[in-house]
Amino acid sequence: QKEVEQDPGPLSVPEGAIVSLNCTYSNSAFQYFMWYRQYSRKGPELLMYTYSSGNKEDGRFTAQVDKSSKYISLFIRDSQPSDSATYLCAMNGSGNTGKLIFGQGTTLQVKP
Amino acid sequence: NAGVTQTPKFRVLKTGQSMTLLCAQDMNHEYMYWYRQDPGMGLRLIHYSVGEGTTAKGEVPDGYNVSRLKKQNFLLGLESAAPSQTSVYFCASSYSRWASGSFYEQYFGPGTRLTVT
Repeated sequence: QKEVEQDPGPLSVPEGAIVSLNCTYSNSAFQYFMWYRQYSRKGPELLMYTYSSGNKEDGRFTAQVDKSSKYISLFIRDSQPSDSATYLCAMNGSGNTGKLIFGQGTTLQVKP
Repeated sequence: NAGVTQTPKFRVLKTGQSMTLLCAQDMNHEYMYWYRQDPGMGLRLIHYSVGEGTTAKGEVPDGYNVSRLKKQNFLLGLESAAPSQTSVYFCASSYSRWASGSFYEQYFGPGTRLTVT
């Protein structure tokens, strides 16, 4: 069983839809929960991060962490074609190595 | 700042050939990483380094070697390429945002597409 599980999709939605992307994890020691966005043929870039449980909002994006259920989500409101990308969840590993554990990534397409 | 750069961008190798991928960062980051990305597999860590002169194995290190002779460079070597090493390779660097060292934001390069025939 992988430490972090993410539905790879693909996910196709019409413009303006609310999108929900999710990951589950097994290691209760994870503290920081991140979402990276990767456009086609580009490297991933950090979109948002959250510490411990709770919600964090940034414009149309909301990151949510439920540590009791070991479940994290990324919500995109009023989705735009420019949101079409692969979204990877990531969590920090143990120690001071900076290692991250990534989910498989979910490919999202927002159709005009 | 150029951020993280990778050389080359594309490469085709024959089975058994060797090559070195170069990663360079100009952000003075201590930590550097090499990943491979395959469809449906996400990013898998090959090797990483926590400082100049140090290297350590990641999740999928077999068939690869690395060196970090200078802080800004991290080299990934394939001694005898195999078709199973066909992949997109990403280099990343990171630093700790907080003094506690818990949160590390990784900055990625644009990737190298490698095909082994």
